[in-house]
Amino acid sequence: SQKIEQNSEALNIQEGKTATLTCNYTNYSPAYLQWYRQDPGRGPVFLLLIRENEKEKRKERLKVTFDTTLKQSLFHITASQPADSATYLCALDIGGGTYKYIFGTGTRLKVLA
Amino acid sequence: DAGVIQSPRHEVTEMGQEVTLRCKPISGHDYLFWYRQTMMRGLELLIYFNNNVPIDDSGMPEDRFSAKMPNASFSTLKIQPSEPRDSAVYFCASTRGLDTGELFFGEGSRLTVL
Repeated sequence: SQKIEQNSEALNIQEGKTATLTCNYTNYSPAYLQWYRQDPGRGPVFLLLIRENEKEKRKERLKVTFDTTLKQSLFHITASQPADSATYLCALDIGGGTYKYIFGTGTRLKVLA
Repeated sequence: DAGVIQSPRHEVTEMGQEVTLRCKPISGHDYLFWYRQTMMRGLELLIYFNNNVPIDDSGMPEDRFSAKMPNASFSTLKIQPSEPRDSAVYFCASTRGLDTGELFFGEGSRLTVL
């Protein structure tokens, strides 16, 4: 069956540390994988996209890796801040580039001051 | 741009009533998506459109749900009759087909069916 799993429903880390979130999937060969941030009561907001032929993508304090052999993406936030506290969702294009994006259940990150 | 606009933001209705949720995508975006979010099931894709034509409605739960996109700037998601298990936050999102599919989400419509 179609499945996207994100590690631990909730993750607490200390301010200044690196947060690492995991997205694992089965039965797909996605052309693109995206990461979104969602704050309570708001819609998800796009953060990063990585293509199937890319290993790593960076944007400021964010880094995403994509291992199509392991069927896994890692999302890192370096020098984490309390303002980074939110739910983070990964999304896969399962339509071969047709924008049919399905989402993981998300990881709720809390950065402690 | 004002972003994706959804209405109503909150809707409370009784079981059996018809519910209509509305969405205005970002101008120039040719893909429009309807998602539903619950604690139990997360964010589920219900249906999406390209150039006002439904591309994939395999996520629509059952015949009680229907979606239309009469023009490039407006879409509706209708539930008739509504049931308590339809209670969720419904999100609309849009994107431009020339790009890599970054989805722009609205703020959602929170539906409560009593």
